[in-house]
Amino acid sequence: EAQVTQNPRYLITVTGKKLTVTCSQNMNHEYMSWYRQDPGLGLRQIYYSMNVEVTDKGDVPEGYKVSRKEKRNFPLILESPSPNQTSLYFCASSLDSASGRPLDEQYFGPGTRLTVT
Amino acid sequence: AQKITQTQPGMFVQEKEAVTLDCTYDTSDPSYGLFWYKQPSSGEMIFLIYQGSYDQQNATEGRYSLNFQKARKSANLVISASQLGDSAMYFCAMKTTGGGNKLTFGTGTQLKVEL
Repeated sequence: EAQVTQNPRYLITVTGKKLTVTCSQNMNHEYMSWYRQDPGLGLRQIYYSMNVEVTDKGDVPEGYKVSRKEKRNFPLILESPSPNQTSLYFCASSLDSASGRPLDEQYFGPGTRLTVT
Repeated sequence: AQKITQTQPGMFVQEKEAVTLDCTYDTSDPSYGLFWYKQPSSGEMIFLIYQGSYDQQNATEGRYSLNFQKARKSANLVISASQLGDSAMYFCAMKTTGGGNKLTFGTGTQLKVEL
Protein backbone atom coordinates (compact mmCIF):
# COMPACT_ATOMS: atom_id res chain seq x y z
CA GLU A 1 0.00 0.00 0.00
CA ALA A 2 1.32 3.41 -1.02
CA GLN A 3 1.79 5.49 2.08
CA VAL A 4 3.68 8.10 4.04
CA THR A 5 4.39 7.15 7.64
CA GLN A 6 5.38 9.40 10.52
CA ASN A 7 6.60 8.59 14.00
CA PRO A 8 5.74 9.34 16.66
CA ARG A 9 2.10 10.27 16.20
CA TYR A 10 1.96 12.08 19.53
CA LEU A 11 4.78 13.58 21.55
CA ILE A 12 4.91 15.69 24.67
CA THR A 13 8.34 17.02 25.51
CA VAL A 14 10.06 19.77 27.44
CA THR A 15 11.80 22.90 26.24
CA GLY A 16 15.31 22.28 24.99
CA LYS A 17 15.21 18.49 24.68
CA LYS A 18 16.26 17.53 21.17
CA LEU A 19 13.80 15.42 19.23
CA THR A 20 13.39 13.87 15.80
CA VAL A 21 10.18 13.15 13.96
CA THR A 22 10.68 10.50 11.32
CA CYS A 23 9.00 10.40 7.91
CA SER A 24 9.17 7.60 5.39
CA GLN A 25 7.47 7.02 2.03
CA ASN A 26 7.31 3.87 -0.10
CA MET A 27 6.37 5.45 -3.45
CA ASN A 28 9.87 6.32 -4.66
CA HIS A 29 8.92 10.00 -4.68
CA GLU A 30 11.67 12.53 -5.28
CA TYR A 31 9.98 15.39 -3.46
CA MET A 32 9.33 15.43 0.28
CA SER A 33 8.21 18.24 2.52
CA TRP A 34 7.32 19.15 6.09
CA TYR A 35 4.41 21.38 7.06
CA ARG A 36 3.14 22.63 10.36
CA GLN A 37 -0.50 23.35 11.03
CA ASP A 38 -1.63 25.97 13.51
CA PRO A 39 -5.18 27.18 14.22
CA GLY A 40 -6.20 30.05 11.97
CA LEU A 41 -3.04 29.77 9.88
CA GLY A 42 -3.60 26.66 7.82
CA LEU A 43 -0.54 24.60 6.87
CA ARG A 44 2.81 26.25 6.28
CA GLN A 45 5.86 24.69 4.73
CA ILE A 46 8.90 24.26 6.97
CA TYR A 47 11.46 22.54 4.73
CA TYR A 48 11.43 20.57 1.55
CA SER A 49 13.69 18.25 -0.40
CA MET A 50 13.79 17.82 -4.16
CA ASN A 51 15.90 14.66 -3.93
CA VAL A 52 18.60 12.93 -1.91
CA GLU A 53 21.02 15.45 -0.37
CA VAL A 54 18.98 18.38 -1.76
CA THR A 55 17.04 20.32 0.86
CA ASP A 56 15.85 23.90 1.15
CA LYS A 57 13.94 26.19 3.47
CA GLY A 58 10.23 26.70 3.23
CA ASP A 59 8.27 29.55 4.74
CA VAL A 60 8.87 28.87 8.45
CA PRO A 61 12.25 27.08 8.83
CA GLU A 62 13.50 28.71 12.05
CA GLY A 63 14.19 26.19 14.80
CA TYR A 64 14.11 23.15 12.52
CA LYS A 65 16.61 21.01 10.64
CA VAL A 66 16.15 18.26 8.10
CA SER A 67 18.24 15.73 6.26
CA ARG A 68 17.72 13.55 3.19
CA LYS A 69 20.29 10.78 3.14
CA GLU A 70 17.98 8.25 1.54
CA LYS A 71 15.17 8.80 -0.93
CA ARG A 72 12.51 7.29 1.28
CA ASN A 73 13.30 9.10 4.55
CA PHE A 74 13.06 12.76 5.50
CA PRO A 75 13.38 13.30 9.26
CA LEU A 76 12.51 16.59 10.96
CA ILE A 77 14.86 17.58 13.75
CA LEU A 78 14.16 20.05 16.53
CA GLU A 79 17.52 20.71 18.17
CA SER A 80 16.12 22.81 21.03
CA PRO A 81 12.32 22.75 20.99
CA SER A 82 10.40 25.73 22.36
CA PRO A 83 6.72 26.09 23.26
CA ASN A 84 6.02 28.03 20.04
CA GLN A 85 6.83 24.83 18.16
CA THR A 86 3.79 23.15 19.67
CA SER A 87 1.86 22.22 16.56
CA LEU A 88 0.53 19.50 14.29
CA TYR A 89 3.22 18.41 11.83
CA PHE A 90 2.70 16.78 8.47
CA CYS A 91 5.17 15.12 6.16
CA ALA A 92 4.21 14.93 2.49
CA SER A 93 5.70 13.47 -0.66
CA SER A 94 5.07 13.67 -4.37
CA LEU A 95 6.69 13.09 -7.73
CA ASP A 96 8.86 15.94 -8.88
CA SER A 97 6.79 18.13 -11.18
CA ALA A 98 9.67 20.39 -12.18
CA SER A 99 9.97 18.55 -15.50
CA GLY A 100 6.66 20.04 -16.63
CA ARG A 101 4.47 17.02 -15.99
CA PRO A 102 1.00 17.79 -14.72
CA LEU A 103 1.03 19.10 -11.20
CA ASP A 104 1.11 16.03 -9.00
CA GLU A 105 -0.88 15.28 -5.91
CA GLN A 106 0.95 15.35 -2.60
CA TYR A 107 0.49 12.39 -0.28
CA PHE A 108 0.34 13.30 3.37
CA GLY A 109 1.41 11.34 6.41
CA PRO A 110 -1.01 10.92 9.33
CA GLY A 111 0.42 13.86 11.27
CA THR A 112 2.45 14.21 14.48
CA ARG A 113 0.93 16.19 17.30
CA LEU A 114 3.79 17.81 19.24
CA THR A 115 3.45 19.61 22.56
CA VAL A 116 6.45 21.43 24.01
CA THR A 117 6.07 22.49 27.66
CA ALA B 1 3.80 35.11 -4.25
CA GLN B 2 0.90 32.73 -4.03
CA LYS B 3 -2.05 33.27 -1.72
CA ILE B 4 -5.18 31.32 -0.91
CA THR B 5 -8.12 32.95 0.86
CA GLN B 6 -10.92 31.08 2.57
CA THR B 7 -13.30 33.61 4.08
CA GLN B 8 -15.66 31.20 5.87
CA PRO B 9 -14.16 30.06 9.17
CA GLY B 10 -17.22 27.92 9.90
CA MET B 11 -20.34 26.72 8.12
CA PHE B 12 -23.41 24.69 8.95
CA VAL B 13 -25.44 22.63 6.51
CA GLN B 14 -28.35 20.29 6.93
CA GLU B 15 -27.96 16.66 6.01
CA LYS B 16 -28.78 15.92 2.34
CA GLU B 17 -28.39 19.57 1.36
CA ALA B 18 -25.66 20.91 -0.91
CA VAL B 19 -23.00 23.27 0.43
CA THR B 20 -20.42 25.50 -1.22
CA LEU B 21 -17.10 26.27 0.42
CA ASP B 22 -15.42 29.36 -0.95
CA CYS B 23 -11.83 29.67 -2.07
CA THR B 24 -10.11 32.48 -3.94
CA TYR B 25 -6.50 32.44 -5.02
CA ASP B 26 -3.86 34.78 -6.26
CA THR B 27 -0.87 33.93 -8.43
CA SER B 28 0.89 35.40 -11.43
CA ASP B 29 1.97 31.95 -12.64
CA PRO B 30 -0.19 30.86 -15.63
CA SER B 31 0.28 27.18 -14.74
CA TYR B 32 -1.09 26.05 -11.41
CA GLY B 33 -3.18 23.43 -9.70
CA LEU B 34 -5.87 23.83 -7.09
CA PHE B 35 -6.55 21.18 -4.48
CA TRP B 36 -9.11 20.57 -1.80
CA TYR B 37 -8.32 18.52 1.29
CA LYS B 38 -10.59 17.28 4.05
CA GLN B 39 -9.31 17.01 7.60
CA PRO B 40 -11.61 15.10 9.97
CA SER B 41 -11.25 15.39 13.72
CA SER B 42 -8.76 12.50 13.66
CA GLY B 43 -6.32 14.87 11.95
CA GLU B 44 -5.28 13.21 8.70
CA MET B 45 -5.33 15.13 5.42
CA ILE B 46 -7.56 13.50 2.81
CA PHE B 47 -7.22 14.60 -0.81
CA LEU B 48 -10.62 15.31 -2.37
CA ILE B 49 -10.30 16.94 -5.76
CA TYR B 50 -7.87 18.66 -8.12
CA GLN B 51 -8.32 21.30 -10.84
CA GLY B 52 -5.56 22.30 -13.23
CA SER B 53 -5.38 25.86 -14.55
CA TYR B 54 -5.63 24.65 -18.14
CA ASP B 55 -8.45 22.21 -17.55
CA GLN B 56 -11.43 23.14 -19.67
CA GLN B 57 -14.02 21.45 -17.52
CA ASN B 58 -14.74 21.70 -13.82
CA ALA B 59 -13.42 18.74 -11.86
CA THR B 60 -15.83 16.29 -10.25
CA GLU B 61 -15.23 13.37 -7.90
CA GLY B 62 -18.38 11.67 -6.72
CA ARG B 63 -20.28 14.11 -4.51
CA TYR B 64 -17.51 16.70 -4.78
CA SER B 65 -17.26 19.20 -7.59
CA LEU B 66 -15.06 22.20 -8.06
CA ASN B 67 -16.64 25.39 -9.39
CA PHE B 68 -13.62 26.87 -11.17
CA GLN B 69 -13.95 30.47 -12.34
CA LYS B 70 -10.57 31.42 -13.69
CA ALA B 71 -11.32 35.07 -14.44
CA ARG B 72 -12.53 35.58 -10.87
CA LYS B 73 -9.68 33.45 -9.46
CA SER B 74 -12.08 31.33 -7.49
CA ALA B 75 -12.18 27.57 -6.93
CA ASN B 76 -15.16 26.80 -4.75
CA LEU B 77 -15.84 23.29 -3.51
CA VAL B 78 -19.40 22.05 -3.83
CA ILE B 79 -20.47 19.08 -1.75
CA SER B 80 -23.81 17.64 -2.82
CA ALA B 81 -26.14 15.62 -0.60
CA SER B 82 -24.20 16.34 2.61
CA GLN B 83 -23.68 13.51 5.06
CA LEU B 84 -22.85 13.57 8.75
CA GLY B 85 -19.44 12.18 7.87
CA ASP B 86 -18.70 15.31 5.86
CA SER B 87 -18.28 17.27 9.11
CA ALA B 88 -14.62 18.25 9.04
CA MET B 89 -12.16 21.04 8.32
CA TYR B 90 -11.70 21.72 4.61
CA PHE B 91 -8.58 23.27 3.13
CA CYS B 92 -8.10 24.81 -0.28
CA ALA B 93 -4.52 24.73 -1.57
CA MET B 94 -2.56 25.75 -4.63
CA LYS B 95 0.61 24.62 -6.30
CA THR B 96 2.28 26.50 -9.14
CA THR B 97 4.81 25.36 -11.70
CA GLY B 98 7.08 28.22 -10.73
CA GLY B 99 6.69 27.44 -7.04
CA GLY B 100 8.00 23.91 -7.27
CA ASN B 101 5.99 21.37 -5.36
CA LYS B 102 5.09 23.62 -2.47
CA LEU B 103 1.44 23.70 -1.54
CA THR B 104 0.11 27.04 -0.32
CA PHE B 105 -2.88 26.54 1.95
CA GLY B 106 -5.80 28.65 3.01
CA THR B 107 -6.83 28.91 6.64
CA GLY B 108 -9.60 26.36 6.28
CA THR B 109 -13.38 26.16 6.71
CA GLN B 110 -14.91 24.08 9.50
CA LEU B 111 -18.04 22.41 8.16
CA LYS B 112 -20.68 20.96 10.45
CA VAL B 113 -23.46 18.81 8.99
CA GLU B 114 -26.61 18.75 11.09
CA LEU B 115 -29.59 16.39 11.13
